[in-house]
Amino acid sequence: NAGVTQTPKFQVLKTGQSMTLQCAQDMNHNSMYWYRQDPGMGLRLIYYSASEGTTDKGEVPNGYNVSRLNKREFSLRLESAAPSQTSVYFCASSEALYTEAFFGQGTRLTVV
Amino acid sequence: EDQVTQSPEALRLQEGESSSLNCSYTVSGLRGLFWYRQDPGKGPEFLFTLYSAGEEKEKERLKATLTKKESFLHITAPKPEDSATYLCAATNRDDKIIFGKGTRLHILP
Repeated sequence: NAGVTQTPKFQVLKTGQSMTLQCAQDMNHNSMYWYRQDPGMGLRLIYYSASEGTTDKGEVPNGYNVSRLNKREFSLRLESAAPSQTSVYFCASSEALYTEAFFGQGTRLTVV
Repeated sequence: EDQVTQSPEALRLQEGESSSLNCSYTVSGLRGLFWYRQDPGKGPEFLFTLYSAGEEKEKERLKATLTKKESFLHITAPKPEDSATYLCAATNRDDKIIFGKGTRLHILP
């Protein structure tokens, strides 16, 4: 049982490049999330999807877009990467919005 | 504004020295209080969910408790493998999730 799988694990981008972070869960969870984690800032919610077919902004959505492709998959897109988006990105899923979340291993993104 | 504050930011203990981590929360209509453990280079790992004041949950050397204003994670006779960052999070009545910044725990052998 893989849980939450994120790809890639590491990525280096040049300023202005675009990329998509992929996330898939095999727990049949309804809700999925994208977080970023920066030193001293803790986990900050970028976007979330309460259920298949819905997406909503979190605390820091600027510069990002998401797609809930189906119940299993939730992708995060950076259209024009900026150095301020250098961070560790975590995808998570939960049965419902107010229940415990299960996290992927993270994507370490550097924008130069 | 809803917020979750964890203290201390960092804690160093000797192996076997019991202590507690604090999570103070100001949340409108608490739906759930969560504790996670995060090891370096990995994603947070779920430990406990608490739903109402007075509730307690235990797992090995860890026990989580909840009052109307704060939650404690008690660590009894810790071992070096308990070293990690411990994260607290709360969900409010609008299903918004708020994370604290974590407590970095280091257990010295």
